[in-house]
Amino acid sequence: GAVVSQHPSWVICKSGTSVKIECRSLDFQATTMFWYRQFPKQSLMLMATSNEGSKATYEQGVEKDKFLINHASLTLSTLTVTSAHPEDSSFYICSAAGRRGFRPQHFGDGTRLSIL
Amino acid sequence: AQRVTQPEKLLSVFKGAPVELKCNYSYSGSPELFWYVQYSRQRLQLLLRHISRESIKGFTADLNKGETSFHLKKPFAQEEDSAMYYCALSGQGDSNYQLIWGAGTKLIIKP
Repeated sequence: GAVVSQHPSWVICKSGTSVKIECRSLDFQATTMFWYRQFPKQSLMLMATSNEGSKATYEQGVEKDKFLINHASLTLSTLTVTSAHPEDSSFYICSAAGRRGFRPQHFGDGTRLSIL
Repeated sequence: AQRVTQPEKLLSVFKGAPVELKCNYSYSGSPELFWYVQYSRQRLQLLLRHISRESIKGFTADLNKGETSFHLKKPFAQEEDSAMYYCALSGQGDSNYQLIWGAGTKLIIKP
C-alpha cells in the first residue's frame, strides 16, 4: 500500500516552456503533499507544502509565481514550473502523507527536468 | 533551531562488519524520528520510524532523548545495504507532517 505515482519521470524542453509535473496517491487519500527539489549529491530541499483544497505554503526563497502548485483533490497535486530556464533544471520529488495518524511521507519516483 | 545532523557524508564498511549511521537532532518539542533509504535508481522509502520500535532488514534505531540521537545500526552489513540513508524529524504536534531532513549518508558495503 501507500503508492505515490509521479509523472513524467523525465522532461527535456526548451527555455521558456512551462512544465507540469503530476503527483498522485494511488491507494490512499493524501491530505498533504510535499514538493522537493534535489540537487546532485545533496539532500532534499523542501519547496512547498500543499493541503488539499487550500493554497500551498512555500518555503523561504521559493518563488510561488515560478512554481505553481495545485492540490485540487485528495489524490492529485501538480507542480508547474512556469517559463522554465536552465537554472530550473533539477530533480523534483513529490511525497504524500495521509490523514492524521498516517504520518510517514511516501515518495514518488521523482522527475528529472532538463531545460535546454 | 530545529535541525537534523548526519555527520558522515560517506561511510564505507566491509560486508559482515557492523554498521552505525549517526543522526543527531535539535528540536524543542517531542519529535518523531525516521530513517529513509534510497537505493540506486529507486525512490526514497521509509525504513524505520522510532515509534514502531521494529527491525527492518536487520536495521534498528533507538531514540536517545538524553543524547538527542537516533543512530541507525545493523550488526552485519550486507552488500545490498549500499544506499543513501536520510534521517528525518517531524514534530508530533505538527499537523502538516513536515519533515526536517539530514544531509544524508552514503553507505557503501565492500565485498
